[in-house]
Amino acid sequence: DGGITQSPKYLFRKEGQNVTLSCEQNLNHDAMYWYRQDPGQGLRLIYYSQIVNDFQKGDIAEGYSVSREKKESFPLTVTSAQKNPTAFYLCASKRSGGNTDTQYFGPGTRLTVL
Amino acid sequence: GNSVTQMEGPVTLSEEAFLTINCTYTATGYPSLFWYVQYPGEGLQLLLKATKADDKGSNKGFEATYRKETTSFHLEKGSVQVSDSAVYFCALSDLNAGGTSYGKLTFGQGTILTVHP
Repeated sequence: DGGITQSPKYLFRKEGQNVTLSCEQNLNHDAMYWYRQDPGQGLRLIYYSQIVNDFQKGDIAEGYSVSREKKESFPLTVTSAQKNPTAFYLCASKRSGGNTDTQYFGPGTRLTVL
Repeated sequence: GNSVTQMEGPVTLSEEAFLTINCTYTATGYPSLFWYVQYPGEGLQLLLKATKADDKGSNKGFEATYRKETTSFHLEKGSVQVSDSAVYFCALSDLNAGGTSYGKLTFGQGTILTVHP
């Protein structure tokens, strides 16, 4: 089955620690995205990548880092510089080109800082 | 910049009631418009989309029409079910000057819908 997987589903971190969230897709999509969801605020874009080995900052990139070494993988690292990291993190992907702008989402990772 | 405004929630309805969730947007050009649904503890699922003015997106009994004159994309369903209880997000995609999309979505804040038997 094709789709997007995120792991782990729940993640707990102590203050001052970096943590990496996994996102994998087998849809052969070129573009991948990371969003953060907070209650009552909708989704906000953290980083996105339209092609392997290239990525751009979104609206709230401070305190986060990403890599895109493989087409199917787009891991997100939440660093200790992120002041309020507790949130629900969603990964998405889409094909590139033409009117193919529908994003497909993974099930999400809930990060809690203890 | 682009923005999306959804009606304030939460919305509570009885089963078989009529549903409207308002969505208005601000954007340059002709963005595509989307409704996504999120069930508890899950990611977002695409519910419907429209890519140009006067297009009507529809799926699972839900409908929304792209109204450029009022910059709106209101979601409607004639008879809701308990299983429709979820959070609904309106979103638009960005466009560059050439009319292609980078795929960046701008979301509204979401509307919580609860349907009682």
